[in-house]
Amino acid sequence: GQSLEQPSEVTAVEGAIVQINCTYQTSGFYGLSWYQQHDGGAPTFLSYNALDGLEETGRFSSFLSRSDSYGYLLLQELQMKDSASYFCAVKEDSNYQLIWGAGTKLIIKP
Amino acid sequence: DSGVTQTPKHLITATGQRVTLRCSPRSGDLSVYWYQQSLDQGLQFLIQYYNGEERAKGNILERFSAQQFPDLHSELNLSSLELGDSALYFCASAPGTGSYEQYFGPGTRLTVT
Repeated sequence: GQSLEQPSEVTAVEGAIVQINCTYQTSGFYGLSWYQQHDGGAPTFLSYNALDGLEETGRFSSFLSRSDSYGYLLLQELQMKDSASYFCAVKEDSNYQLIWGAGTKLIIKP
Repeated sequence: DSGVTQTPKHLITATGQRVTLRCSPRSGDLSVYWYQQSLDQGLQFLIQYYNGEERAKGNILERFSAQQFPDLHSELNLSSLELGDSALYFCASAPGTGSYEQYFGPGTRLTVT
């Protein structure tokens, strides 16, 4: 079957670095996306990895290891506004919808 | 602002009733996805339309149906509503059929009493 696993909650301190992991088990794999959702808001796209390695976009980076069926989202210099839920999602096939993880709630303490 | 619009923003209705949620995708996007998100839960994929045709089906109940019109807007119909249908309903749009980047609307919050 298809499954994506993420921690349900992660707590970190403002200014620190936090890593949100995602492991997946899907019948096919094209790439891994990350989305951010603030409470009461809509999900917004953060990043996409199709190849192994690290993709950096400002304070956020995303990593993929296809051989380990594993990826992570790295957030640096945490700010209070980064408090949100983060979802990983697998693009399983060229023409299919994304398969979504259950989301990780990131709590940031001052 | 993603460019995706959803109406209404809030909807309160009674059990057993039927409602219609509307979504207009971003200009140029042919795919529309519908998702359900219950309180503090993840996104449950319901259904996808691409250029007027049903493309993929997820965990959509038989009481729910959707369609995409020639102008590419989409409607999600929920009938025989139950208390457990209370949730945020999002639509998202994308240019192609299997886009990894989807643009989400602000959502419709449905409360069934």
